[in-house]
Amino acid sequence: GENVEQHPSTLSVQEGDSAVIKCTYSDSASNYFPWYKQELGKRPQLIIDIRSNVGEKKDQRIAVTLNKTAKHFSLHITETQPEDSAVYFCAAYNLSGGYNKLIFGAGTRLAVHP
Amino acid sequence: NAGVTQTPKFQVLKTGQSMTLQCAQDMNHNSMYWYRQDPGMGLRLIYYSASEGTTDKGEVPNGYNVSRLNKREFSLRLESAAPSQTSVYFCASSLQEDTEAFFGQGTRLTVV
Repeated sequence: GENVEQHPSTLSVQEGDSAVIKCTYSDSASNYFPWYKQELGKRPQLIIDIRSNVGEKKDQRIAVTLNKTAKHFSLHITETQPEDSAVYFCAAYNLSGGYNKLIFGAGTRLAVHP
Repeated sequence: NAGVTQTPKFQVLKTGQSMTLQCAQDMNHNSMYWYRQDPGMGLRLIYYSASEGTTDKGEVPNGYNVSRLNKREFSLRLESAAPSQTSVYFCASSLQEDTEAFFGQGTRLTVV
């Protein structure tokens, strides 16, 4: 089945710096890659997603890149702000072979210091 | 719109007790999921239901059962709770399996 590895597990940056979180997946048939943000004590919420027919997607300060050959995708946050502090989860979805499940990485705790 | 609603929010069980976590969504979504969240382990899929009338095992199904009661409701049952099931449980739903998943507020379960 699908396996998703996420790095780093913790990330500390200064306000205004960029943050990058990377994920790798195991099954080349995976075709949908969402990113979720979870603030302390709250539920995860989708912040951006990308499908396998696209290499990059941007939404204001957030971007996601996908390298299908290497089977990895990354979240980029520019001009970080204290409210970006949260746990971020990547996920991969595989629609082939009957294994149609959304599998999450272990999460990255991002701390943005003023 | 309430979105995804889970009950209860908190629960303490003794080892061996049983309980059912309830989940309902009002977004007319086809797919529903149960995840557990443990420190350092992300969100692990327990069971999911791709559509009304179907359920399937996820990554960590042992010790749990589910029922897709109708399109709106998806319940998770612990028949004989164990301390290893102490966790935060999230229900989620999505229109289709490869679209945005909306999460409930979570249930913090402690088994003593």
